[in-house]
Amino acid sequence: DSGVTQTPKHLITATGQRVTLRCSPRSGDLSVYWYQQSLDQGLQFLIQYYNGEERAKGNILERFSAQQFPDLHSELNLSSLELGDSALYFCASSSHPDMPTNEKLFFGSGTQLSVL
Amino acid sequence: GQQLNQSPQSMFIQEGEDVSMNCTSSSIFNTWLWYKQDPGEGPVLLIALYKAGELTSNGRLTAQFGITRKDSFLNISASIPSDVGIYFCAGRDQAGTALIFGKGTTLSVSS
Repeated sequence: DSGVTQTPKHLITATGQRVTLRCSPRSGDLSVYWYQQSLDQGLQFLIQYYNGEERAKGNILERFSAQQFPDLHSELNLSSLELGDSALYFCASSSHPDMPTNEKLFFGSGTQLSVL
Repeated sequence: GQQLNQSPQSMFIQEGEDVSMNCTSSSIFNTWLWYKQDPGEGPVLLIALYKAGELTSNGRLTAQFGITRKDSFLNISASIPSDVGIYFCAGRDQAGTALIFGKGTTLSVSS
């Protein structure tokens, strides 16, 4: 158990809909990352938050947004869903974002999103 | 954007055999990490490397940070059935943004 909690584990929805994925980082970790994993693209970095502020942005679509709350949990919002958004979405947390050379990411078990 | 080339894409080996996989980047990396992912689970950190030339072991696993800082290797000795899974390399370049992942090496072990 990595200590990172993601809910829900599975999500089935229709095209055009909006969903919210939730992540609770490991106790004491201030930084949260979101990754998308699809069969053909591997693990793609979406966005990083540190202590409530956006820290880095990757290949995140404009239809997607995220935030980190004062209690450090994070939510990833996916809107106007398309079939191609079906993927595993992982959250990861780390404790030392200011020391990149010592940073280790710990992953949750992921949310499997199926858009029908 | 930055890409990592991980090879081989898949491996089919007999129990007891040794395994080697590697990862290369087009630019210099400051950090190399190796993860393993089991079906239905998130990636689990195996080994972290932070210095060029560094060689680190974790049980039967050994990983090295290449001297050129553009590659890393993972070796698994005396493989067992529970080694089955997808192994990912991940690295951070000098820009220091988020970890970039390779596309993974799928390992199958037959007993």
